[in-house]
Amino acid sequence: DAMVIQNPRYQVTQFGKPVTLSCSQTLNHNVMYWYQQKSSQAPKLLFHYYDKDFNNEADTPDNFQSRRPNTSFCFLDIRSPGLGDAAMYLCATSRWGGETQYFGPGTRLLVL
Amino acid sequence: SQQGEEDPQALSIQEGENATMNCSYKTSINNLQWYRQNSGRGLVHLILIRSNEREKHSGRLRVTLDTSKKSSSLLITASRAADTASYFCATEGDFGNEKLTFGTGTRLTIIP
Repeated sequence: DAMVIQNPRYQVTQFGKPVTLSCSQTLNHNVMYWYQQKSSQAPKLLFHYYDKDFNNEADTPDNFQSRRPNTSFCFLDIRSPGLGDAAMYLCATSRWGGETQYFGPGTRLLVL
Repeated sequence: SQQGEEDPQALSIQEGENATMNCSYKTSINNLQWYRQNSGRGLVHLILIRSNEREKHSGRLRVTLDTSKKSSSLLITASRAADTASYFCATEGDFGNEKLTFGTGTRLTIIP
């Protein structure tokens, strides 16, 4: 089945230790999104790629970076995780911008 | 902020009853979408309604859209325990910037 896959499902890192979360899709969608979601809150968009074009949200900290080496894969790099970065990170795709988004199961990040 | 507001924040009803959730937003839109999120999981798309539509049905779901009031409602009929989840509305602005703005969410609990 076509889907959005996130690995790992749970990630534990130490304060200040770089961490990379990965997302892959078999839907061949043009757009990939990364969201941060904290407990009982709405997903907050960090950035998105339309094909190879990177779009950063104005309030996304510089600590967060992203790479999309090809259509199928997208990575979220947190260069120096702080305690406040502990959250669920959701990857989503859509065929075209603004249309239905298909979400992965998320990666829950714990920062010790 | 363009984030939508959802009302109520939390709702508990008996199984078999109908559940209604409301969403208000601030800017003109191309479409409005509803998503469900089970605890600790990714979001699942439920229904998309375009700005020129007033009502849409999908199974036990009924969505209405009133663009003059900048509001939408989601009705779940004959609720089941499996409907227990958080429900988010999301809007695509008519400025076509490829992204969705999520509301604050309604946490629905169905009591068996």
